[in-house]
Formats: sequence, structure tokens, C-alpha cells
Amino acid sequence: EDQVTQSPEALRLQEGESSSLNCSYTVSGLRGLFWYRQDPGKGPEFLFTLYSAGEEKEKERLKATLTKKESFLHITAPKPEDSATYLCAVLLSGGYQKVTFGIGTKLQVIP
Amino acid sequence: NAGVTQTPKFQVLKTGQSMTLQCAQDMNHEYMSWYRQDPGMGLRLIHYSVGAGITDQGEVPNGYNVSRSTTEDFPLRLLSAAPSQTSVYFCAVSPSTNYGYTFGSGTRLTVV
Repeated sequence: EDQVTQSPEALRLQEGESSSLNCSYTVSGLRGLFWYRQDPGKGPEFLFTLYSAGEEKEKERLKATLTKKESFLHITAPKPEDSATYLCAVLLSGGYQKVTFGIGTKLQVIP
Repeated sequence: NAGVTQTPKFQVLKTGQSMTLQCAQDMNHEYMSWYRQDPGMGLRLIHYSVGAGITDQGEVPNGYNVSRSTTEDFPLRLLSAAPSQTSVYFCAVSPSTNYGYTFGSGTRLTVV
């Protein structure tokens, strides 16, 4: 069974304290991995797509990396406005819409 | 451009009632999907469409119907609402399979 596990479930950081969120997956065939940000009461907002092991993408204070078994979302010197739930999703082989989402990591950045 | 517009934002239904959740996009994307989001669970796919006139079931399709007569609109119909359908519903669009989604702002549905 295809599984996506995100850890930790929740993370509290001081402003400026860098850290990483993890997304590990056990799937039959990976075509890609997505990261999203979700603010309370809103729909997820697309951040990155990673397609192959070793690939990295950056956007402001965020950097996403991918290995054969997991992905990391590194947050460098976070600010309070980075507080949100971060979701990862894997795009599976075998046809359209085989996308499995993780439950997410709720990040709180304290001033 | 509005992107993806969902209406209504909130809805309370009684068990057995029917209703339609609306989703409209102005991005001219072929792929449209409906997801539900429940506490402690990842987003789960209900139905999806790869273009006008083409729809298919996702992971949790029971109790829901869809149709896609135009590129822009993809309504989700609840046939006979049940408390288990209390959830937040998101419409998502993408230009193709390998691209991330653009999500709407969601409809929070409560069935009593």
C-alpha cells in the first residue's frame, strides 16, 4: 500500500531558528513529489515539484530536496509569516490523479 | 483573474438533503478535481476530470456525483447528505498530470 508520512506533526520554532520538515514515502512508483503550504481556512498553495532523487528547489527561505525514500523541506531563518501547515504529496506511476497526500506538519514560528 | 472560485464557502445541510458545490476556473486548465479534507487525514480524491465530458472516480466517490460540460465548471453534487460527509471540500485544477494543483478556497460543509 502506498504511504506518505510527514514528521513531525507539529513544530514550534523561534524566529530565525532553522529546521527541516520530513516527508517519507513508501510507494510502488514515484513520478514526482509536491510541497504545498496551507494557511488556516484556506486551500493549499503550491510551492514545489521535485521529480528525481538529488533534485533541489528553492523559494525565499524554503528549500526542498528529494532522495529515493524521502523529501525534506528546509526552512532557513524562519519568520512568523512562515507559520502554516506544510503538506507533501506524491505523484504515483500508473495514470492520472494517483496522488497521495500526507497529513501535514503544522509549523508555528514565534517572534 | 480569479483562479479557482468555489461557492458556497459555508453550508449546513440536514441529513438526506441534496446540494451542489460549485467550482469555476478561469485558468483554462484541462484537469479538475474534487478533494475532501478531514482532521487527521490527508486530502482524499473524490472525483476528477481530464477535460470537458470526461470524468472518473477517485478514492472516495460514494455519495457524490460530478459532470463536466465546459472547461470552466466542475460541480460536485451530494445526492443525499450524510453526517459522514461533513468535511471541507476543495476543488483543484492543473494544466497536466505532472504539475502541482491550484486549489480553491474551499467549502466547509456540515451535515446534521
